[in-house]
Amino acid sequence: GQSLEQPSEVTAVEGAIVQINCTYQTSGFYGLSWYQQHDGGAPTFLSYNALDGLEETGRFSSFLSRSDSYGYLLLQELQMKDSASYFCAVPPPDNFNKFYFGSGTKLNVKP
Amino acid sequence: DTGVSQDPRHKITKRGQNVTFRCDPISEHNRLYWYRQTLGQGPEFLTYFQNEAQLEKSRLLSDRFSAERPKGSFSTLEIQRTEQGDSAMYLCASTQGGGNDYGYTFGSGTRLTVV
Repeated sequence: GQSLEQPSEVTAVEGAIVQINCTYQTSGFYGLSWYQQHDGGAPTFLSYNALDGLEETGRFSSFLSRSDSYGYLLLQELQMKDSASYFCAVPPPDNFNKFYFGSGTKLNVKP
Repeated sequence: DTGVSQDPRHKITKRGQNVTFRCDPISEHNRLYWYRQTLGQGPEFLTYFQNEAQLEKSRLLSDRFSAERPKGSFSTLEIQRTEQGDSAMYLCASTQGGGNDYGYTFGSGTRLTVV
């Protein structure tokens, strides 16, 4: 089976950098996705890492280490609008028919 | 491209009643997914369609739940004899298929409250 662990809550100040970690245990591994969800809103896809290393998309970057079964989402120059829940997710080892999501990390950005 | 639409946004029903939700995916997307999300948790997979074929169902999807996608476009999710434990946000998502299915486009969901 698959299990994912994320911190439940993280607090940071506007303009800072924050890292949201995700460790996973899977029967096989295909890749790691990240989603953002504002309260009452739809989850929004942020990134997908299939290979080790850091991928940058604007203020957001995502990192994967397959050997450590670990990834993180890095948010730079935090803005108030970044206050949201962030979920990591993995597919089964052989298809994208579904994803297993972590319980999410609630990010609180303070002025 | 109007995104993934779900209707209704909110539904309050009495225990034991049947409810039906609708999802309209992005028009060129041939894959459609249903997930359920409870407060403080991540989405949980319910079922997946490739065009009109329902190819996978979670064990979470008891026999009170049924989903259809009759013409490979919109989909419906019906819950019969609702129970209080069915209270959750029901999310629909779609992808185009063809190898880029690691990034879902989700709808805003239908929030079901069973009283």
